[in-house]
Amino acid sequence: DQQVKQNSPSLSVQEGRISILNCDYTNSMFDYFLWYKKYPAEGPTFLISISSIKDKNEDGRFTVFLNKSAKHLSLHIVPSQPGDSAVYFCAAGAGSYQLTFGKGTKLSVIP
Amino acid sequence: DAGVIQSPRHEVTEMGQEVTLRCKPISGHNSLFWYRQTMMRGLELLIYFNNNVPIDDSGMPEDRFSAKMPNASFSTLKIQPSEPRDSAVYFCASSRTGSKNIQYFGAGTRLSVL
Repeated sequence: DQQVKQNSPSLSVQEGRISILNCDYTNSMFDYFLWYKKYPAEGPTFLISISSIKDKNEDGRFTVFLNKSAKHLSLHIVPSQPGDSAVYFCAAGAGSYQLTFGKGTKLSVIP
Repeated sequence: DAGVIQSPRHEVTEMGQEVTLRCKPISGHNSLFWYRQTMMRGLELLIYFNNNVPIDDSGMPEDRFSAKMPNASFSTLKIQPSEPRDSAVYFCASSRTGSKNIQYFGAGTRLSVL
């Protein structure tokens, strides 16, 4: 039973355009959400996070939106760059330090 | 500061052999996590240590898997005996109390059991 779902295995976007990666969750106890980026042959690296008390967090080209009523969050990358091509994982935590990860979305940014 | 260090990066072994994966967390981090990544199941948490004590090992698949953390700077994940279905990438991650769930991952160990 997946508590964190990323329904799009892959996404292709033109360089300079916006990339939108989506994530849904089922556990209403989750109170902290994170996005990780993973390049081949490397471990996931932390990108951006958001607390459940907020609905938006921005860091440079990256913005995460949280819709608690819909149990949905999204990561926006504007403008997209070829170096953003990677697998993006959504993760959620519920008070403890444990995280539940989605299966990832592979983003390809086309020059 | 050095990140999480895992060794070996690649391990190829035959079914039935013992495999030991190693992890050195970031200095000052007091939580350590072992994950397994497969195509089918994604990134699964195997076991979680806090202050060197195993807190949750419910993700460990079976008795063939064991993990230890003898001190704050070293942990091992052992598979004995190994089976082909154990083939996966194993990640170690660490975090620090008060860091808001942010975990820092090592580069992983790619295990192939023939």
